[in-house]
Amino acid sequence: DAGVIQSPRHEVTEMGQEVTLRCKPISGHDYLFWYRQTMMRGLELLIYFNNNVPIDDSGMPEDRFSAKMPNASFSTLKIQPSEPRDSAVYFCASSLRGGNRYNEQFFGPGTRLTVL
Amino acid sequence: EDKVVQSPLSLVVHEGDTVTLNCSYEVTNFRSLLWYKQEKKAPTFLFMLTSSGIEKKSGRLSSILDKKELFSILNITATQTGDSAVYLCAVEGGTGANSKLTFGKGITLSVRP
Repeated sequence: DAGVIQSPRHEVTEMGQEVTLRCKPISGHDYLFWYRQTMMRGLELLIYFNNNVPIDDSGMPEDRFSAKMPNASFSTLKIQPSEPRDSAVYFCASSLRGGNRYNEQFFGPGTRLTVL
Repeated sequence: EDKVVQSPLSLVVHEGDTVTLNCSYEVTNFRSLLWYKQEKKAPTFLFMLTSSGIEKKSGRLSSILDKKELFSILNITATQTGDSAVYLCAVEGGTGANSKLTFGKGITLSVRP
């Protein structure tokens, strides 16, 4: 299995631009998570989906952030408009329901976003 | 507000040493505690603990949870340079579909040859 796939791996954009991050979970996994990691705030859970349905988006920082999962093999995290404080590494992770959604999470390599 | 505190923030040991990493928490409606290892890339899942006193073990790594005193420890025996990483603790709290995952800031472990 290729593992969780994220694209792009690096993104540099200017303030005000729209940014779209992409994730392909491990085939067969029914939970998908989006995280953000910064030096200041550490690792934060933004949103997660179960069977393509958003379950908890309370970690999404602002209305500028939105996430979708149109099918079991694809999810996007969009920031519009982007701001310099959005600069971070964004991770996608997936897991297979087995009593606890966080058990055996597999993380993608991350997208390093820089907003100038 | 849920809180997860890890200690020490960082430590340096020599190969062969045994280390103990600490994680304490204050969480409403505790559900689980998780440990991750993060090298220069993405976190890797290590353990999930839900019950007090039951040790989880994987090779040289082991972890145990104390739900009465609200902490967990991660032990690494016979450390190797490949154990150098940031070790993250996270706690899940809440009820039903509204559970939240709160991470600590991590412990940076450096293992010298």
